[in-house]
Amino acid sequence: DTAVSQTPKYLVTQMGNDKSIKCEQNLGHDTMYWYKQDSKKFLKIMFSYNNKELIINETVPNRFSPKSPDKAHLNLHINSLELGDSAVYFCASSSFYNEQFFGPGTRLTVL
Amino acid sequence: AQSVTQLDSQVPVFEEAPVELRCNYSSSVSVYLFWYVQYPNQGLQLLLKYLSGSTLVKGINGFEAEFNKSQTSFHLRKPSVHISDTAEYFCAVSENTGNQFYFGTGTSLTVIP
Repeated sequence: DTAVSQTPKYLVTQMGNDKSIKCEQNLGHDTMYWYKQDSKKFLKIMFSYNNKELIINETVPNRFSPKSPDKAHLNLHINSLELGDSAVYFCASSSFYNEQFFGPGTRLTVL
Repeated sequence: AQSVTQLDSQVPVFEEAPVELRCNYSSSVSVYLFWYVQYPNQGLQLLLKYLSGSTLVKGINGFEAEFNKSQTSFHLRKPSVHISDTAEYFCAVSENTGNQFYFGTGTSLTVIP
């Protein structure tokens, strides 16, 4: 059973479009995260939710909006996509010690 | 806030040679320490973690790391690397309060045949 899953795995789209990435975890964790990994492999935290409540909101354009319908799901919606949004986006959930369990990633390419 | 420093962005090493990947963090408060590995075109998986207890931690694939509180370091070592160890390695720190998780910038390990 996949612990943290993301869909889609690949996303190719045009500038200006709106897209969503979905994430689900079956580990029973209360906290979930979105990370962005750029072409240099730097990992940047974007958002974190604890039991459906936003707890970390880093400096991210407001075109990015997370939504947590329940504590097992954290989706990421991106409006008006730009070239610079091209990256790999990782969802993660965390245990008591904040140990991160990662999804397989979504590679977003904006043309 | 923590900062996590991985001084070596790229480490080439010959197959069967030993390797050490360095990691230093900034804070002196109680922390939990992690190393993650990312194989090409894959997600991140946990190699090992230090939560408490023995400062020498053993992980998967023959890796180990030593927590040094006085030097605020958590260096990763392997006595003999394989081609399959070629990957990106990330050090990470979590303070024992709050939900923040801090990653280093990563070290790209390339094992040369």
